[in-house]
Amino acid sequence: EDQVTQSPEALRLQEGESSSLNCSYTVSGLRGLFWYRQDPGKGPEFLFTLYSAGEEKEKERLKATLTKKESFLHITAPKPEDSATYLCAVRGAGGTSYGKLTFGQGTILTVHP
Amino acid sequence: GAGVSQTPSNKVTEKGKYVELRCDPISGHTALYWYRQSLGQGPEFLIYFQGTGAADDSGLPNDRFFAVRPEGSVSTLKIQRTERGDSAVYLCASSPDYKDVLTFGAGSRLTVL
Repeated sequence: EDQVTQSPEALRLQEGESSSLNCSYTVSGLRGLFWYRQDPGKGPEFLFTLYSAGEEKEKERLKATLTKKESFLHITAPKPEDSATYLCAVRGAGGTSYGKLTFGQGTILTVHP
Repeated sequence: GAGVSQTPSNKVTEKGKYVELRCDPISGHTALYWYRQSLGQGPEFLIYFQGTGAADDSGLPNDRFFAVRPEGSVSTLKIQRTERGDSAVYLCASSPDYKDVLTFGAGSRLTVL
């Protein structure tokens, strides 16, 4: 069974204070690791997909990296508008379904001005 | 449509009642997913459709939950004899194909009194 664990559960930063969020996973044949952002009262919004160890992707102040056991979401010089819950999910190749994503519990990020 | 549409956005019902939640996916998306999200948790997989058929319904918690997608577009999640533990946000997502990125709707918040 695919499993995803995210840490920390909550992170408070000052504006401009860079940090990283962690996503540890176990999966039978990784078919993609996904990062989503979720604002209160809204559905998750797609950020990145990573497929193989060593892969990196960037978007504005966010950079996602992947190893064989974990992924990091690095936030550089965050702004208050980066405050949200960040969700990590994996798609595995095991079982009868290749489609579903298995999510972690999320990291609640708060950036203070 | 431009995005995934879910109705109602909010539903309050009494214990034991029957509830239907509707999802209208992005036009042309063949894969459709239902997830459930409790407060402070990540989305929990319920079921996913590829076209009209349920490709994986392993996440449905018991036989009170049922979902259909009769014409391969709109889907309805049906919950019989609702219980207070069913209270959560029910998220729908769609993707062009089962290998692609999921786009989520805003969710239907269900409260069982």
